[in-house]
Amino acid sequence: RKEVEQDPGPFNVPEGATVAFNCTYSNSASQSFFWYRQDCRKEPKLLMSVYSSGNEDGRFTAQLNRASQYISLLIRDSKLSDSATYLCVVNSRGSYIPTFGRGTSLIVHP
Amino acid sequence: DVKVTQSSRYLVKRTGEKVFLECVQDMDHENMFWYRQDPGLGLRLIYFSYDVKMKEKGDIPEGYSVSREKKERFSLILESASTNQTSMYLCASSLTGRAEAFFGQGTRLTVV
Repeated sequence: RKEVEQDPGPFNVPEGATVAFNCTYSNSASQSFFWYRQDCRKEPKLLMSVYSSGNEDGRFTAQLNRASQYISLLIRDSKLSDSATYLCVVNSRGSYIPTFGRGTSLIVHP
Repeated sequence: DVKVTQSSRYLVKRTGEKVFLECVQDMDHENMFWYRQDPGLGLRLIYFSYDVKMKEKGDIPEGYSVSREKKERFSLILESASTNQTSMYLCASSLTGRAEAFFGQGTRLTVV
């Protein structure tokens, strides 16, 4: 079983829609969780950390469910500029080595 | 802002050549990483380093080696390039105790 699993999509949504991605991880000892965004042919960039209590940054909400070992990302009021690949990242092995999911592709259309 | 710089954006090398990919970070980060990214496979860890002269194998180290002689610089070496090493190579760094990794812009390597 892969350490970090994501649905590759693509998720094809209209502008203004709400879309959610999930990511599951296999190592119950994982301690740090993140969502990264990667635009086509660019490097991944940190979107937000994921905290146990859940956290929000504008239109983006991230949640962690330790019991079920998954994290989620909710995007409200989608914009065309949100089109990208969203990578789930879990830190294990001493909590400083990032393990990446394969990414979920989001396409927001007019 | 953290800056991680990779020496080349695009590189074309011949089979059998020795290839050096350089990465420099300017934020005094202890940890540095080399990943490769391929369609459908995501980012896979090749090697990482948590201190000068220290290195650890990642998930796919075969065919690669690394060098970290100075804290700010982490080099990836392809001893004898092969066509299956054609890929996007991404360098990243992070601070111990802070788990977020920051990436360079990537090097797209083509081995012909």
